[in-house]
Amino acid sequence: AAGVIQSPRHLIKEKRETATLKCYPIPRHDTVYWYQQGPGQDPQFLISFYEKMQSDKGSIPDRFSAQQFSDYHSELNMSSLELGDSALYFCASSLGDSRLLNTEAFFGQGTRLTVV
Amino acid sequence: AQTVTQSQPEMSVQEAETVTLSCTYDTSESDYYLFWYKQPPSRQMILVIRQEAYKQQNATENRFSVNFQKAAKSFSLKISDSQLGDAAMYFCAYRGDSEYSSASKIIFGSGTRLSIRP
Repeated sequence: AAGVIQSPRHLIKEKRETATLKCYPIPRHDTVYWYQQGPGQDPQFLISFYEKMQSDKGSIPDRFSAQQFSDYHSELNMSSLELGDSALYFCASSLGDSRLLNTEAFFGQGTRLTVV
Repeated sequence: AQTVTQSQPEMSVQEAETVTLSCTYDTSESDYYLFWYKQPPSRQMILVIRQEAYKQQNATENRFSVNFQKAAKSFSLKISDSQLGDAAMYFCAYRGDSEYSSASKIIFGSGTRLSIRP
């Protein structure tokens, strides 16, 4: 079965550069979540989209932005990168309609961003 | 705001024995979902088991089962016949199910690192 695809898997950037992370959800999933997991940390919610509209916002810095496109894939844009942005960035997808039974989120393998 | 608490940063169990990981949560919602995710060294986030709050029966998946106590807001994971491959970080997670919150975010606990002694 198709899973959540994230690209790239690894990314190395210098301080003050920009980065774009991509997420392709499971087919028919209309909801995408972005999480940031620092070393030894639990995943922290950044932002989510449902039907191409932002549905919730967490601890996402103003330097970051994201959107969900018409084909439901999502991109996380990160500018003015800082050393502290080094982390594993997870994307997850699910069916957003809470009336449906299978509402668990399926996670991609993550993009490991290293800022040097 | 909803919170998820895992009070055991690390646990260790002998291979083939049983171990229970604890999780408590706080919410004012009546309908929600609870999950246990496993994160092995590869750091892939893998769903282990899911519990719907409206169901009284505890979920089970092979060697994994939960003890869901809604009134106490407790959701522990029991792993029976522990195997070396069970070694990982385990995250307890919560997702709301309000009719006004489509696509509710998943909130994670701080995790419990489980090691298996051969």
